[in-house]
Amino acid sequence: DAGVIQSPRHEVTEMGQEVTLRCKPISGHDYLFWYRQTMMRGLELLIYFNNNVPIDDSGMPEDRFSAKMPNASFSTLKIQPSEPRDSAVYFCASRGTSGGEGEQFFGPGTRLTVL
Amino acid sequence: AQSVTQPDIHITVSEGASLELRCNYSYGATPYLFWYVQSPGQGLQLLLKYFSGDTLVQGIKGFEAEFKRSQSSFNLRKPSVHWSDAAEYFCAVGVLLGNQFYFGTGTSLTVIP
Repeated sequence: DAGVIQSPRHEVTEMGQEVTLRCKPISGHDYLFWYRQTMMRGLELLIYFNNNVPIDDSGMPEDRFSAKMPNASFSTLKIQPSEPRDSAVYFCASRGTSGGEGEQFFGPGTRLTVL
Repeated sequence: AQSVTQPDIHITVSEGASLELRCNYSYGATPYLFWYVQSPGQGLQLLLKYFSGDTLVQGIKGFEAEFKRSQSSFNLRKPSVHWSDAAEYFCAVGVLLGNQFYFGTGTSLTVIP
């Protein structure tokens, strides 16, 4: 398996632009998670899906952020409009339904820079 | 509220020396506990996990961790550090059947020759 795939790996954009981050989870995994990593706040869970349905989006910082999972093999995290404080590394992770002990498998991340 | 504390922001050890990274958690029940490693520019890789049974768990790359309920700790250890172990290490607690992960702030490990 190729693991969790994220694209793009790096994104540089200007303030006010729309940004779309993409994630392909590991085939067969039921759960998908989006995280944001910054120096100030560390790793934060933004939202997670189970069987393509958003379960908890309480970590989404504000309405400028939205996430979708149209099918089991694809998810997007969109920021519109983007702001400099959104600059961070965004990770996608997936997990199979194997009970509470199942670990999350992380993608390589997307490094977002908003100028 | 659940929380994970990694009290050491940065640790420097000599190659070949032993290593212990500390992790304390706050959770009402026995959580699922994980240690991940992140190399520069990379995603997180699982080193080991604990959810029940033997409180001393073995992981990849020669790492081990011990769950101590009385101390709410899950410290990571390695008897002899290699230069390739230089990375960021994260402790995580899984709650709600593992669907909510809380990560510590991480410990950055530097290995000197």
